[in-house]
Amino acid sequence: KAGVTQTPRYLIKTRGQQVTLSCSPISGHRSVSWYQQTPGQGLQFLFEYFSETQRNKGNFPGRFSGRQFSNSRSEMNVSTLELGDSALYLCASSLVGVQYGYTFGSGTRLTVV
Amino acid sequence: DAKTTQPTSMDCAEGRAANLPCNHSTISGNEYVYWYRQIHSQGPQYIIHGLKNNETNEMASLIITEDRKSSTLILPHATLRDTAVYYCIVREDSNYQLIWGAGTKLIIKP
Repeated sequence: KAGVTQTPRYLIKTRGQQVTLSCSPISGHRSVSWYQQTPGQGLQFLFEYFSETQRNKGNFPGRFSGRQFSNSRSEMNVSTLELGDSALYLCASSLVGVQYGYTFGSGTRLTVV
Repeated sequence: DAKTTQPTSMDCAEGRAANLPCNHSTISGNEYVYWYRQIHSQGPQYIIHGLKNNETNEMASLIITEDRKSSTLILPHATLRDTAVYYCIVREDSNYQLIWGAGTKLIIKP
């Protein structure tokens, strides 16, 4: 079956712009999480959605937001981009329950110039 | 902060078993141990997870000590394609996030 699909794969934006990243989870997976990965900070949790509701949010400024649609697809938005937002943004989906592992997408590589 | 500690790096010869240790001395009774790996610039890949019992799948085996304070991931016949950063994570049901440490960089040598 199809894996987690993230679009676009690569993105270059200018400081001050905003960006929207998309994630299509595996069919049947209703939990979608987002992570940021940078060389300095490693993998950090952004937020998690289930049934269109944000259940948990990491320690990121309000410029980072997300949403989930009724078909479980999710988007994350970063407004007023800063150079430090350059990172690999990863989406993961899962069946509900701690006994299930997360399946990650290939990520979106965002470069802010 | 991550609740696990792992060696920064390890080497293993191709064809041999790779044994990756992880300490999670503060693990609570309802927390699972998960292992993921990340090959350079790709998304993390789920390997295996367990609660108390040892687990085995087509990729690896997970050995959890009886007191659950540590575990070992075993790749039975390592290949060059197993070169990656391996992450050990503990997670409970009410926690909808994975807290990542720095992981172990495993290098498989020919």
